[in-house]
Amino acid sequence: DTGVSQDPRHKITKRGQNVTFRCDPISEHNRLYWYRQTLGQGPEFLTYFQNEAQLEKSRLLSDRFSAERPKGSFSTLEIQRTEQGDSAMYLCASSLPEDTEAFFGQGTRLTVV
Amino acid sequence: GESVGLHLPTLSVQEGDNSIINCAYSNSASDYFIWYKQESGKGPQFIIDIRSNMDKRQGQRVTVLLNKTVKHLSLQIAATQPGDSAVYFCAVVTGGGNKLTFGTGTQLKVEL
Repeated sequence: DTGVSQDPRHKITKRGQNVTFRCDPISEHNRLYWYRQTLGQGPEFLTYFQNEAQLEKSRLLSDRFSAERPKGSFSTLEIQRTEQGDSAMYLCASSLPEDTEAFFGQGTRLTVV
Repeated sequence: GESVGLHLPTLSVQEGDNSIINCAYSNSASDYFIWYKQESGKGPQFIIDIRSNMDKRQGQRVTVLLNKTVKHLSLQIAATQPGDSAVYFCAVVTGGGNKLTFGTGTQLKVEL
């Protein structure tokens, strides 16, 4: 296992379009997290899953954002009707529930033009 | 809510010197703290962690100090190397689910 994998690495989209990102966590990790990071800032928590259950969502996750983890393995994050303010790095992390050390992927950099 | 802040946005050190990066947090109930290193274009990488029942923890060339009285923690890097150049974040585990609240970050620049 090579760690947390995210796809795509970069995405440029026009305002108003929908985008979907994928995260493949470390295989034995049943916790999966999404964070958003803007330039010069630390990552901000968006949501997390334990297995297929989405247990918490940040108020940052507006109605245009939806995350799924249907089989408790990979996860997708969809943004509908993208806005320029959605431009950021979207980071995925995974961990074991009893282990607070989270391993991050390389992120997907979204640019909305 | 939890807020985490760093004292300096940029730190420049000479190669071989020791580096100290500071972080303040606001919630006295926080009990787990982590330092991450982030290189350009990459995700954060775990460096070292510490729990609130400790005030010092050492790793390879790194030491984390926790002062719960003033809600402050620091990361010390010994014999700083060019490969240490990156942005360093402190993060606090808050609430259930082990989600992290990150500080803004300190850019460490190592000068040859």
